[in-house]
Amino acid sequence: GNSVTQMEGPVTLSEEAFLTINCTYTATGYPSLFWYVQYPGEGLQLLLKATKADDKGSNKGFEATYRKETTSFHLEKGSVQVSDSAVYFCQGAQKLVFGQGTRLTINP
Amino acid sequence: DAGVIQSPRHEVTEMGQEVTLRCKPISGHDYLFWYRQTMMRGLELLIYFNNNVPIDDSGMPEDRFSAKMPNASFSTLKIQPSEPRDSAVYFCASSLGRVWTTGELFFGEGSRLTVL
Repeated sequence: GNSVTQMEGPVTLSEEAFLTINCTYTATGYPSLFWYVQYPGEGLQLLLKATKADDKGSNKGFEATYRKETTSFHLEKGSVQVSDSAVYFCQGAQKLVFGQGTRLTINP
Repeated sequence: DAGVIQSPRHEVTEMGQEVTLRCKPISGHDYLFWYRQTMMRGLELLIYFNNNVPIDDSGMPEDRFSAKMPNASFSTLKIQPSEPRDSAVYFCASSLGRVWTTGELFFGEGSRLTVL
């Protein structure tokens, strides 16, 4: 069946470091893929999405490219800030499950 | 526009008591989801509704849990009797249209339940 596998955390970085959180998928066809973010004390919110292969989603300095060759949708940011500390979830639209996510902590 | 509204934000109760969590989805959304989040299990889907009808309740942990959606603007999740292992943050989310293709869920801020 269709599923996504997300890099487990936690991840701790210093401010202005480069961030990559890995996400790979297995699917029949090319489902829409999403990254959600959960800030402390809040619900999840959509960060970015890509609805077809080769699409790039971007928001708030984050990017993810839907790569069919490597079946990946890795989340990247060139220079993280303390305010990016949160839990990040990769999700495929054909599943409504989120798992545990990747906890990111950015130190000043 | 108002987002998904949940109440209460925090609930502390004693084992054996009945707990009712409430959710008001975004107006016009036709899907409503209840999730539970714990450190051990992450975010688990409990049940979801389409046009007020329960579609899949396979994630509901046991008969102590029940959910209703009497109309398009209101849903409840009830736990009776509550147990300490039910302590978690419960999220309600809503979506418009075919979430399996559009994928975007709108989450409330959650109800943090502590059962002593």
